[in-house]
Amino acid sequence: EAQVTQNPRYLITVTGKKLTVTCSQNMNHEYMSWYRQDPGLGLRQIYYSMNVEVTDKGDVPEGYKVSRKEKRNFPLILESPSPNQTSLYFCASSFLGSTGELFFGEGSRLTVL
Amino acid sequence: SQQGEEDPQALSIQEGENATMNCSYKTSINNLQWYRQNSGRGLVHLILIRSNEREKHSGRLRVTLDTSKKSSSLLITASRAADTASYFCAPNNDMRFGAGTRLTVKP
Repeated sequence: EAQVTQNPRYLITVTGKKLTVTCSQNMNHEYMSWYRQDPGLGLRQIYYSMNVEVTDKGDVPEGYKVSRKEKRNFPLILESPSPNQTSLYFCASSFLGSTGELFFGEGSRLTVL
Repeated sequence: SQQGEEDPQALSIQEGENATMNCSYKTSINNLQWYRQNSGRGLVHLILIRSNEREKHSGRLRVTLDTSKKSSSLLITASRAADTASYFCAPNNDMRFGAGTRLTVKP
């Protein structure tokens, strides 16, 4: 089954404790992206990747890191989480090209105390 | 790149009624896509309309595109409670999204 898998789905952590949210897709997509969603603000893009070893900042990259060592995986790293990073996070992937449909993971709800 | 702007921000209707939501964008496009998000879940692709198409249907969904006005509309006919969700447009498969239209369908 074609899917984008995120882990963990729910996490409560404390300020400053490094964490990684994993994202994996099984569709051989070139493009992968991370978003955060906060009430009233829609989805805001954090980072994206067009292919292995190619990553770029989105609209809200501060406080986040990513890596793309393999085509299927695109982990989101919070080196020193802060309460303003409490949010719902989504990973998505697609083929490149103008008609590439985005496939989304189920979301990871992160709370930073 | 650009993101679409959905309008209205919120829409509440009774089951069986039609729901119309709109999307505006700024620059020329090759296509436009609509997505749905059930509360707290990932977005799901609904339909793609190309710039040379004026209207497209998929089940109870009807999408129109007016490139001269740089706008698109999504019509959901005979709405159901299960249609309650937020709806987003993505011009040119831009990977950025606006705030969406939150649709509530009351039973």
